[in-house]
This record gives sequence, C-alpha cells and structure tokens, in this order.
Amino acid sequence: QAVVTQEPSLTVPPGGTVTLTCGSSTGAVTSGHYPYWFQQKPGQAPRTLISDTSNKHSWTPARFSGSLLGGKAALTLSGAQLEDEAEYYCLLSYSAAWVFGGGTKLTVL
Amino acid sequence: QVQLVESGGGVVQPGRSLRLSCAASGFTFSHYSLYWVRQAPGKGLDWVTLISYDGSNKYYADSVKGRFTISRDNSKNTLYLQMNSLSAEDTAVYYCARSSFEYYYYHGMDVWGQGTTVTVSS
Repeated sequence: QAVVTQEPSLTVPPGGTVTLTCGSSTGAVTSGHYPYWFQQKPGQAPRTLISDTSNKHSWTPARFSGSLLGGKAALTLSGAQLEDEAEYYCLLSYSAAWVFGGGTKLTVL
Repeated sequence: QVQLVESGGGVVQPGRSLRLSCAASGFTFSHYSLYWVRQAPGKGLDWVTLISYDGSNKYYADSVKGRFTISRDNSKNTLYLQMNSLSAEDTAVYYCARSSFEYYYYHGMDVWGQGTTVTVSS
C-alpha cells in the first residue's frame, strides 16, 4: 500500500502565508490521484476544503488554494487567521484504494 | 441541506460484532458512492471502505478485509457497516462520507457525518 507523507507540523504568523505538501511513496503526485485536502479542528468531524487538486467548495475560504508543486500536492494558505489553526489532511486515490496522509498540525502564532 | 448522521457505536468486547448505520438526507442518495473513514484516538484519518452508488462495487482496506462488510439500502437512504471479529485496533470514531460526484467514486469525499464512536474493550 502506498504511503502518503505530510509535514507533521508547521507554524505561520497571523496574516502570513504557508504551504502544506502531500507526497506519495509511489512517485510524483498527479491530477490522476485526485488530491483532496481536509481541515479538522479538535472534537469536530473533518471538513473538505479542496477537491481534485484545486477545486474549492462553497464553504472554502478564499484564502485557501490547492495545486501541484514539485511532484506533490500542495495546499497554500494566504493571510492566515487564528481560526485556521487545525489539523490538515490530504487524501490520494490509487485506483479504488484511498490513502490519507498522516496530517499536518498547523499553528497560527 | 445535505446531511449524514451515523449511529450504532458503543462499547463491544473483543471478538464480537457491531453494525453501524448512516442515515442520509438532502440529496439523491442512490446517485452517490459512500465511504466509511475511521480515526483512532489521537491518530489520523484512515479510509476503511467504499460502496458504489448502486452497491455493485465494494472496496476495503486490507486491515478490515474479510471482517467488515459495507452495504446500503437505497430505498431507506441508509448506509451500513457490519463489523465482525472486532479487536482493540478497531477502536475509533467512524465517519461516513459522501463521494464528491454523482456516480463516480475514484474521487474523494465532500460531505461528512459527525461520527460515531466504537470502543472495543473487555
């Protein structure tokens, strides 16, 4: 089974910009892995932020964006707010098997 | 609005069985594939299983293959997860989630339920 890797933790100052990445043990992440990004706050269910690399949902704040960067999927937060402090997970699809990354704990400080 | 509500969690002894349910509303249930995803205490998200919109295709993580069975009743807008031979490693919050697109299921999920907690302990 593939292993999906994320930074364990990152810190960003309020108003700053940070990029979270999502890599695959099988090689470069492509649009064919249909990368997804989720936000989870303590005690809450996950919330989908980004679908299929870069598509936002109606509830996704405009400051979040998704892309492919250097062979990985990337989630960029521009203009971080205190409320963005959370755990972020990516998900990659491997032909009817879905693998989550281990999550990135994002601190806004 | 689109809503998924899980139920059926609880405390169960090792080796026993449990069935989870997920009641859906606010969308055409029979058009969407559905997932179960779990999260062990203090750990990350873990994909468990998926069932296609019509129930004809089912996929399982290796960790649950042969022990868990996913099913759905499109007439009742309800998803199920039958869990057998439970062990402590199955202790987790179990979430049901909807596939992002009608009919397709290689993509991920857009809407999540609030989760139901399963604790396997003697």
